[in-house]
Amino acid sequence: DAKTTQPPSMDCAEGRAANLPCNHSTISGNEYVYWYRQIHSQGPQYIIHGLKNNETNEMASLIITEDRKSSTLILPHATLRDTAVYYCIVRVGNTGNQFYFGTGTSLTVIP
Amino acid sequence: GAVVSQHPSWVICKSGTSVKIECRSLDFQATTMFWYRQFPKQSLMLMATSNEGSKATYEQGVEKDKFLINHASLTLSTLTVTSAHPEDSSFYICSVGTSGSSYEQYFGPGTRLTVT
Repeated sequence: DAKTTQPPSMDCAEGRAANLPCNHSTISGNEYVYWYRQIHSQGPQYIIHGLKNNETNEMASLIITEDRKSSTLILPHATLRDTAVYYCIVRVGNTGNQFYFGTGTSLTVIP
Repeated sequence: GAVVSQHPSWVICKSGTSVKIECRSLDFQATTMFWYRQFPKQSLMLMATSNEGSKATYEQGVEKDKFLINHASLTLSTLTVTSAHPEDSSFYICSVGTSGSSYEQYFGPGTRLTVT
């Protein structure tokens, strides 16, 4: 079962930073936080993941709170192509690496 | 990352027939693959974990005799929907799992199944 909660939808102006929150208050110490996004009728695309430290790659930044109970995905300069459903996932690493998707956040980037 | 393909990309079949969906890992030796199902406007639901050379592990509520999974090689897993019914119409997506602390899942493009 999904261990994360996210707001169902968000809007962001093109060119501005998109900050997508995720709550994972029951996360265990060895569980990673993953972010994927899904553009309509396509397979999910990997964005970033982390354990406790903040992470950054060419797509986004991941900020994890010190208590690890929540995180924020930051798209620094949103474009229209970033319109998608964004999923925050906690990996159940000890039982086979399954991903249980929550409902995600539908991000709409507005021109 | 791993490149994952699925075939077919879409299929229409008649009620009562069986449909096979292929998931191929094109550039990665995949000991573990996953199968998901997604209904319109809903999230992905994990159906089963496919292990190379052994039986798949099904999630609770997924009928193993209806959704047959075969993972005979490190590059191919197949999902067969047997005796399909209209309620099986869905978007089926597979993924390949890597290993280690940099674990990721790479997803295929999905297969749209419509049962008439």
